[in-house]
Amino acid sequence: GESVGLHLPTLSVQEGDNSIINCAYSNSASDYFIWYKQESGKGPQFIIDIRSNMDKRQGQRVTVLLNKTVKHLSLQIAATQPGDSAVYFCAEIPYTSGTYKYIFGTGTRLKVLA
Amino acid sequence: GAVVSQHPSRVICKSGTSVKIECRSLDFQATTMFWYRQFPKQSLMLMATSNEGSKATYEQGVEKDKFLINHASLTLSTLTVTSAHPEDSSFYICSARASGVYTQYFGPGTRLTVL
Repeated sequence: GESVGLHLPTLSVQEGDNSIINCAYSNSASDYFIWYKQESGKGPQFIIDIRSNMDKRQGQRVTVLLNKTVKHLSLQIAATQPGDSAVYFCAEIPYTSGTYKYIFGTGTRLKVLA
Repeated sequence: GAVVSQHPSRVICKSGTSVKIECRSLDFQATTMFWYRQFPKQSLMLMATSNEGSKATYEQGVEKDKFLINHASLTLSTLTVTSAHPEDSSFYICSARASGVYTQYFGPGTRLTVL
């Protein structure tokens, strides 16, 4: 289930189950969205991205869904493995920014239970 | 492809000294590099954006005289924390993007501890 930690919400999932990590973004003008995975003590690692003209994009064991109506982004991980334990961040880039700066979400910690 | 390195990975220094952190894009030319700071259990906070050959653009609240950024080439940017104090202790992460591409590729981070 979900719980709210000091700063990061945590999602606990049984190994082998599917995980769904959610993100609410702020700017309706955002053109590009991306998910990163960050393991403890390391830099963020690119997982998957999606443009605003798409609703869904699939990668290897991951799917990103974009709902522009409610400004919601989700990351689905199929058959969650212990190695998926990490903090997951969504990021958006407003089309009008012109600077390619990301607006990061607060992050969600995924804990995979054996 | 798209590998970004940072050096050093960890640094401990005394209060009042300066520390330089290097960020390199190893297999692509980085038009833009970004410097972030991250506190425990928090998201990444953008400090500044640097374009090769130009002065860095700092985010509001970030002291440009304290955090000196140089982006002298398309593969190297440096962040110098001047006159470091214990409150500057943090995890510093750089990222780089190529021209015409949205995706930022991140370095492994540098853990700075100021005693």
